[in-house]
Amino acid sequence: DAMVIQNPRYQVTQFGKPVTLSCSQTLNHNVMYWYQQKSSQAPKLLFHYYDKDFNNEADTPDNFQSRRPNTSFCFLDIRSPGLGDAAMYLCATSRRGRWDEQFFGPGTRLTVL
Amino acid sequence: GENVEQHPSTLSVQEGDSAVIKCTYSDSASNYFPWYKQELGKGPQLIIDIRSNVGEKKDQRIAVTLNKTAKHFSLHITETQPEDSAVYFCAASIGTGTASKLTFGTGTRLQVTL
Repeated sequence: DAMVIQNPRYQVTQFGKPVTLSCSQTLNHNVMYWYQQKSSQAPKLLFHYYDKDFNNEADTPDNFQSRRPNTSFCFLDIRSPGLGDAAMYLCATSRRGRWDEQFFGPGTRLTVL
Repeated sequence: GENVEQHPSTLSVQEGDSAVIKCTYSDSASNYFPWYKQELGKGPQLIIDIRSNVGEKKDQRIAVTLNKTAKHFSLHITETQPEDSAVYFCAASIGTGTASKLTFGTGTRLQVTL
C-alpha cells in the first residue's frame, strides 16, 4: 500500500546530542511537511518542501533543519535538542498543495534526556 | 497569521447520539478546511474537508458546514459508535498554489460511551 513511513517510531536522545528523524513516501507526492506535536496540543508546521524548494515557517527555531535528497525521502535534523523539543514529530505529504489532502505518517516520538 | 479556535476540548456522548464540534478561524483568506481524526499513537487521518466555495458537505455519518461570513465551520457526526472515539482536529489553510499550510485547532477529545 502507498503510504508515509517514519523511522524510528521512538527516538531517545541526550540533551544537546544531534538527532535525525526520517520520513519516506511511496505516494510520489510533490510536497512534504514536518510538524511538531507536543503532548495534548495541535500539530504545528515547522517547514515544508515543494519538490526541492524549502519553505521555513517564520517561528521555526534555527535548531531545526531539513533535507530532501530525493522525492521519496525527507529528513528532520535537530542540531542540539533541548528538553523543550521532546514531542511527536509528524511527516505529511500532499500532491501539488493548495487544496490537496495531506497524508500523515504515524509520527516519531522524541524523548530528550 | 491564521488562528483557529476549537470547542469543546472534550466531548462525551452515548453511542447512537450525535456529536458536534465547532471551530472559528481568523483569516478571511483561508479557503480550505479539513477535519482530521487522530487515534492514540497514530498520525492524523483526514475524515472530511470542505472548500470555501461550498457551504456543506456530507459523507455517510459525517458532515461539515461552513459559514464564511461568520468565519466558522462545524463537524457533525451522527449515530456515533465506540470506534469514533479519538481526538478530532479542525484546520484552516490558505492555499498558496504550491502548498497547503494548515493551522490546526487545539483538538477535541471525543469519547463515545456504550
